Amino acid sequence: KNQVEQSPQSLIILEGKNCTLQCNYTVSPFSNLRWYKQDTGRGPVSLTIMTFSENTKSNGRYTATLDADTKQSSLHITASQLSDSASYICVVRGGGYNKLIFGAGTRLAVHP
Amino acid sequence: EPEVTQTPSHQVTQMGQEVILRCVPISNHLYFYWYRQILGQKVEFLVSFYNNEISEKSEIFDDQFSVERPDGSNFTLKIRSTKLEDSAMYFCASRDRGPEAFFGQGTRLTVV
Repeated sequence: KNQVEQSPQSLIILEGKNCTLQCNYTVSPFSNLRWYKQDTGRGPVSLTIMTFSENTKSNGRYTATLDADTKQSSLHITASQLSDSASYICVVRGGGYNKLIFGAGTRLAVHP
Repeated sequence: EPEVTQTPSHQVTQMGQEVILRCVPISNHLYFYWYRQILGQKVEFLVSFYNNEISEKSEIFDDQFSVERPDGSNFTLKIRSTKLEDSAMYFCASRDRGPEAFFGQGTRLTVV
């Protein structure tokens, strides 16, 4: 079954600290993996997109990794800011007709 | 910057009534999607639309749901006879031939 699992479910960190979010997937065939940031009540906004051949991709303070062999990805946030408080969703494009398969997200709270 | 726009932002309807959720995708995009997110749950795929026809739909997208692209700009989702369990955020997304899908801000549907 095509699934995307994320951990932890929720995370609280202090402003300025780093954190790493995890994503495991069992989607086949695999097309690409992306990380989205979703503020409460808003639509998801793309942070990074990674294809099969990419191991690491950075977007400002966000760095995503992908291990296509173990089907794992991580999102590392450096020097967190209060505005980073949101849900971070791992989404894999693949399965039937290249649809997006969403993880449940990690809810991150950054406290001052 | 081009964006996907959805209207209304919030719709309240009585059980059994028909609702139409509207989306204006980014103008040169070719692939269109509807997703929903029940409060506290993950985003779920509903339907994809390409070349004026449904390309894939999930088991959620039953006979009560339909989509249309009536005039080349709007992309609508109709729910014929709403049920309480249809209450959710509904997200429209679009993309061109590239991998990036852009989401709208969502319509919060409340069925009472």
